[in-house]
Amino acid sequence: AQSVTQLDSHVSVSEGTPVLLRCNYSSSYSPSLFWYVQHPNKGLQLLLKYTSAATLVKGINGFEAEFKKSETSFHLTKPSAHMSDAAEYFCVVSRNDMRFGAGTRLTVKP
Amino acid sequence: DAGVIQSPRHEVTEMGQEVTLRCKPISGHDYLFWYRQTMMRGLELLIYFNNNVPIDDSGMPEDRFSAKMPNASFSTLKIQPSEPRDSAVYFCASSGTGGGYGYTFGSGTRLTVV
Repeated sequence: AQSVTQLDSHVSVSEGTPVLLRCNYSSSYSPSLFWYVQHPNKGLQLLLKYTSAATLVKGINGFEAEFKKSETSFHLTKPSAHMSDAAEYFCVVSRNDMRFGAGTRLTVKP
Repeated sequence: DAGVIQSPRHEVTEMGQEVTLRCKPISGHDYLFWYRQTMMRGLELLIYFNNNVPIDDSGMPEDRFSAKMPNASFSTLKIQPSEPRDSAVYFCASSGTGGGYGYTFGSGTRLTVV
């Protein structure tokens, strides 16, 4: 079985400060892991993916995530938040199908 | 490529009516997935197909829901009869390699059952 747990349902940061969105996974085999972003009333966009290559994965819009097997984590970070980053973020674990976490709503304050 | 195309974008229907949602995957993708998104339950996988064959439909909530994929370029999700609790955004996604490299999602169909 595979699943992900997003540890925070809501994260609020100020513009220009770092972003950390936390995700722990559970998988009985080497997982493929993803982060997706969903802006209000929009579809889902792939931010980045880990597929057992480099453990530090760089994505779009300055986001990156680090796969830590010992901690079963795949946290998403960004050095400096922008107002346009305000959205819902989903951590996903996959083999043939994709299982989504509950989501973390990121709020960016001016 | 036009991406994954879903229709309609919005659907409002009365309880008891039949609803059909449509999806055209990306050409060459051999996996197709249907998800439902609600505030209460988040994103739920309903069913997925590989090479037009349903592989896992364990997420389909009940017999009122059915999905078909008659060919590689078209899939439908049907609800008959519809109920207010079916109101949600339904997403279709496709992939060329199963889950290993991520999916491309359509823009979704927002269904409201009154």
